[in-house]
Amino acid sequence: DAKTTQPTSMDCAEGRAANLPCNHSTISGNEYVYWYRQIHSQGPQYIIHGLKNNETNEMASLIITEDRKSSTLILPHATLRDTAVYYCIPKAQGQNFVFGPGTRLSVLP
Amino acid sequence: DTGVSQNPRHKITKRGQNVTFRCDPISEHNRLYWYRQTLGQGPEFLTYFQNEAQLEKSRLLSDRFSAERPKGSFSTLEIQRTEQGDSAMYLCASSSDGPGGFFGPGTRLTVL
Repeated sequence: DAKTTQPTSMDCAEGRAANLPCNHSTISGNEYVYWYRQIHSQGPQYIIHGLKNNETNEMASLIITEDRKSSTLILPHATLRDTAVYYCIPKAQGQNFVFGPGTRLSVLP
Repeated sequence: DTGVSQNPRHKITKRGQNVTFRCDPISEHNRLYWYRQTLGQGPEFLTYFQNEAQLEKSRLLSDRFSAERPKGSFSTLEIQRTEQGDSAMYLCASSSDGPGGFFGPGTRLTVL
């Protein structure tokens, strides 16, 4: 059973904000929401994670709805190097990562 | 570089040969994971160690696959009698007791 639903693909203009949605309606109370991305032929790269509150770091912002059933990853000023597959993964401490197909983000010049 | 490292980065082998991959996790991380990724798919979980104990194995891990983490530090993944269907990227990740996890660059296996 799929734990998350993400758009298959999205385009974003260079310099604009990229907003990547994820539905995780069956998330458990002890599961964090993780976001990873994978650039072609590389290992997945950690971006950000959160439990209930919105989070921000140097790479991105994470907005989690109050009911925790969905979240949005925001890349504030997308660059060509942000072109990648983005994975949203609910995961509790000690669990393994379960990857879905993710969203293929294409940043266009 | 204090990240997760994997060796070799690429391996080409003939069907029927045995191959072994190595993963060196981040030094203070007690959890280590192996994943397999085929073209166009997300990574799939294979197995998980906490320190030297192998706590979970996916049913994807057939009896031709074996993983070890003898001293709770580095880990090896061996595939015996390789088949063309084993061609994939093999990824290793490590984490501490807290949330998070960091992936290595992967070993790309091609079975001819």
